[in-house]
Amino acid sequence: EAGVTQSPTHLIKTRGQQATLRCSPISGHTSVYWYQQALGLGLQFLLWYDEGEERNRGNFPPRFSGRQFPNYSSELNVNALELEDSALYLCASSLAVSSYNEQFFGPGTRLTVL
Amino acid sequence: DQQVKQNSPSLSVQEGRISILNCDYTNSMFDYFLWYKKYPAEGPTFLISISSIKDKNEDGRFTVFLNKSAKHLSLHIVPSQPGDSAVYFCAALKGRHTGNQFYFGTGTSLTVIP
Repeated sequence: EAGVTQSPTHLIKTRGQQATLRCSPISGHTSVYWYQQALGLGLQFLLWYDEGEERNRGNFPPRFSGRQFPNYSSELNVNALELEDSALYLCASSLAVSSYNEQFFGPGTRLTVL
Repeated sequence: DQQVKQNSPSLSVQEGRISILNCDYTNSMFDYFLWYKKYPAEGPTFLISISSIKDKNEDGRFTVFLNKSAKHLSLHIVPSQPGDSAVYFCAALKGRHTGNQFYFGTGTSLTVIP
């Protein structure tokens, strides 16, 4: 069974540009989560999508946004990039939210903002 | 505001000995806790979990202990093996239907010396 996949592996942008990161969940998983792991910090919760809707978002500015498609894949968009947005962005998926299912993580996208 | 804290960024242990990784939390509403393991260039993978109604959960060489009064949990690995060398994250979850938001610690890098 294929795990969570993310693309691209690495992304280099300049300040002010937009970045789009993509995630495909494990087959059958309807929930997708996005996390940011900046240098020296833990995983900071960004966004949670389930059944195509945004269910919860972390303490990040509105220029961090995303969406979930009918096939449950997801995009994370970061507008007006700032230097401090440089981080590893991890996507995770899980089964239906009604149980304490652990999240399965992808390998991440390393975003570098110059 | 870091609600889940791992105060030891790194830990070195001899092969065969016990590894003890610690995690503290501040929010008494957390009722489910998990440990994840992360190898370089890979996403975190689920290791073991514990519900707040228990104080111990064991899975092979891995045991998680929960002390609710101290808001502290620990992961014991016995015996430690070189393949256990990785970054370990603890995570906490509050409420089954309150956004399924996982709060992660900053991680502890474990090195098991052969």
